Amino acid sequence: KAGVTQTPRYLIKTRGQQVTLSCSPISGHRSVSWYQQTPGQGLQFLFEYFSETQRNKGNFPGRFSGRQFSNSRSEMNVSTLELGDSALYLCASSLAPSGGPVGDTQYFGPGTRLTVL
Amino acid sequence: TQLLEQSPQFLSIQEGENLTVYCNSSSVFSSLQWYRQEPGEGPVLLVTVVTGGEVKKLKRLTFQFGDARKDSSLHITAAQPGDTGLYLCAGAFYNTDKLIFGTGTRLQVFP
Repeated sequence: KAGVTQTPRYLIKTRGQQVTLSCSPISGHRSVSWYQQTPGQGLQFLFEYFSETQRNKGNFPGRFSGRQFSNSRSEMNVSTLELGDSALYLCASSLAPSGGPVGDTQYFGPGTRLTVL
Repeated sequence: TQLLEQSPQFLSIQEGENLTVYCNSSSVFSSLQWYRQEPGEGPVLLVTVVTGGEVKKLKRLTFQFGDARKDSSLHITAAQPGDTGLYLCAGAFYNTDKLIFGTGTRLQVFP
């Protein structure tokens, strides 16, 4: 069974631009979560989608948005990029929603490394 | 707001040594997971602990969940260079619908 794939793996953008990252979950998984990982803040939760609906959102500005398609693939978009948005963006998929007391196991992709100049 | 503190932040040891990594919270976990992340890869789940006092073993790795379910530890016996990586704990809590990750422990094992 293929794992979680993320494209592109590397991106270089300049301040003010926007970027779209893509995530293809494991076949059959309906939940996709996005995380931002930086050396200073660690792994921070961005949002989770389940069956095309955003069911949870972290504490990030509105410049960060996402969506999920009917085939469970997900995209996240960052508009008006800032230097501080440079990070590794990780996507994780699970069969059922991952959070909460009885959350399902998440499987992570390799990430997209975004550099903002 | 739940916070997960991991210690130490960095650990650099020789092959064959033992080590312990800690994960602490001020809130009670409903469950806790440990992940290992290698350079250029996403985190990979090692174990999930649910019951207070629970101990789980994965080859040379021993995971313990505190009796009060506010802390957990990961002990590695006879560390090997292949154990090198970032170790992350992630907690699920009763009053939030998302996983909270600790800041991680970066382990380097030298041959």
